[in-house]
Amino acid sequence: KNEVEQSPQNLTAQEGEFITINCSYSVGISALHWLQQHPGGGIVSLFMLSSGKKKHGRLIATINIQEKHSSLHITASHPRDSAVYICAVFLRGSNYKLTFGKGTLLTVNP
Amino acid sequence: GAGVSQSPRYKVAKRGQDVALRCDPISGHVSLFWYQQALGQGPEFLTYFQNEAQLDKSGLPSDRFFAERPEGSVSTLKIQRTQQEDSAVYLCASSPREPPGTDTQYFGPGTRLTVL
Repeated sequence: KNEVEQSPQNLTAQEGEFITINCSYSVGISALHWLQQHPGGGIVSLFMLSSGKKKHGRLIATINIQEKHSSLHITASHPRDSAVYICAVFLRGSNYKLTFGKGTLLTVNP
Repeated sequence: GAGVSQSPRYKVAKRGQDVALRCDPISGHVSLFWYQQALGQGPEFLTYFQNEAQLDKSGLPSDRFFAERPEGSVSTLKIQRTQQEDSAVYLCASSPREPPGTDTQYFGPGTRLTVL
């Protein structure tokens, strides 16, 4: 079983819809990253969080340490949001090694 | 300034060939990471450098994989006697501090290796 599980694996939405992508982890962590990967492109870090909630533009990330769960929300989704969204964690005790989920492929149709 | 760059972006190798993949991190970044991303999977850690020192190579899948960063800047990942299962995207990332703690890692565009 992967230490980091994401759901759903694939998500298709219509432009304007509210999107939620979930990440659950089974081990203690020190921090969690949400990353975005466009097809053929590199990976961009969206958020790094260890507690609470962060917001940047239309993106919101939340984490519940007790429940070992994080969510990434996209409000007013747009076709340019289409990408793979990856959750990655620093396992507690590691200060450099990221453990990644498999990613969620989001497609936003116009 | 410039981000992390990698070359080549695409590499096709015949089984048994040796390949060398290059990573140019962001100037001044102390920490450098290599990851392997198989199709449809998340990246997996290969190795970590702090300046020129390779502090963790636990993720390298076999002794055919070798990484170096001799002057603490550019890094090369070498794969000897490539096998089909080596086909993947190889990602490089850098981070400014030592140790990086939970710093943001800045990723390059990756090198897509296809072994025929």
